[in-house]
Amino acid sequence: EAGVTQFPSHSVIEKGQTVTLRCDPISGHDNLYWYRRVMGKEIKFLLHFVKESKQDESGMPNNRFLAERTGGTYSTLKVQPAELEDSGVYFCASSQGRRGEKLFFGSGTQLSVL
Amino acid sequence: AQSVTQLDSQVPVFEEAPVELRCNYSSSVSVYLFWYVQYPNQGLQLLLKYLSGSTLVESINGFEAEFNKSQTSFHLRKPSVHISDTAEYFCAVSAQGGSEKLVFGKGTKLTVNP
Repeated sequence: EAGVTQFPSHSVIEKGQTVTLRCDPISGHDNLYWYRRVMGKEIKFLLHFVKESKQDESGMPNNRFLAERTGGTYSTLKVQPAELEDSGVYFCASSQGRRGEKLFFGSGTQLSVL
Repeated sequence: AQSVTQLDSQVPVFEEAPVELRCNYSSSVSVYLFWYVQYPNQGLQLLLKYLSGSTLVESINGFEAEFNKSQTSFHLRKPSVHISDTAEYFCAVSAQGGSEKLVFGKGTKLTVNP
């Protein structure tokens, strides 16, 4: 069974550019989460999809971030325009949906904004 | 709201020595507790979790953690570590009601030396 796949694994862009991160969850997992880890800090929640609907987007930093989940399958996270403080590792995770169930994480996308 | 404190950012130990990674949390509601591990160049993996029942939980690779409600702690222990246990360990909580998001600590890097 394929795990959670994220790409690109690394992205280096300049301030002001646009970047789109993609996450393919495990097939059949209705829940999809985005998290971010800024260097030296804790992993922070960004948002949670249940199928194609946004269940909780309380962690999204500002309106430069846009997340979508087309048809309840893969998800994209777009940052436009990118700022220096957006640098970090962006993790995607999925689960089947029962509260307390473990999350399956992808390897993350390392985003560097120069 | 919840918060998690991992008191040690780095823990170096020798192979076959015991180790304890400390985790304290704060929450106004009841929580589920988790330990995740991240090996180099991989995503986070669930190590163990406490949902209810026995306060002592164990993983398949010899780690254990004990939920202490009065001290709001969930410390991770292993009586004898291996080189292969070298990784970063994250303590996390999620509320038993409301948002299903995980709130993470800053992580503890465990380095096992020969």
